[in-house]
Amino acid sequence: DTAVSQTPKYLVTQMGNDKSIKCEQNLGHDTMYWYKQDSKKFLKIMFSYNNKELIINETVPNRFSPKSPDKAHLNLHINSLELGDSAVYFCASGSTYEQYFGPGTRLTVT
Amino acid sequence: AQSVTQLGSHVSVSEGALVLLRCNYSSSVPPYLFWYVQYPNQGLQLLLKYTSAATLVKGINGFEAEFKKSETSFHLTKPSAHMSDAAEYFCAVSRPGTYKYIFGTGTRLKVLA
Repeated sequence: DTAVSQTPKYLVTQMGNDKSIKCEQNLGHDTMYWYKQDSKKFLKIMFSYNNKELIINETVPNRFSPKSPDKAHLNLHINSLELGDSAVYFCASGSTYEQYFGPGTRLTVT
Repeated sequence: AQSVTQLGSHVSVSEGALVLLRCNYSSSVPPYLFWYVQYPNQGLQLLLKYTSAATLVKGINGFEAEFKKSETSFHLTKPSAHMSDAAEYFCAVSRPGTYKYIFGTGTRLKVLA
């Protein structure tokens, strides 16, 4: 019974393309997140939504746009992909005292 | 501003030996503190959390951590390492009542047979 799921698990694309990653949680949480983990395993928060409202928006290029159609879903759309966007992207859901992570989406830009 | 520092990006222990992974935090208010584990090609899994209750926190897989305000530390320990403990471990801090979590740079634990 998956708690936080992401699709796709792997994404290989060329520079300049536009791609989306989808995330769904069935834990009933009000808050969802997107994190980026680089090749050195450094984990950085990108965005957070609470009840479909954007509450955290870190220094992220405008090419990244999150969308939350409802509390259980948070998608990430990336325009004009660049080589530096290659990373693992994690979705998470939770509250002020805990988070649960999805399995990650490994994005490779060639 | 809040931050966490994990001392030692790589730690090796023998199977059956004590595991000690270090985490120090900086926070202007009493923080919430967390340890997560990441196995290869997987997401992060919550091991344990401190949310201002008991200072000694027990988690899954035999891990525990102690919140020490005077030392601004939240070190993770396990009495006896198992091969299956080999993974990346992350310490994280958040400000109570907020949704932003700050993660440390991680410590890779290697368990030697």
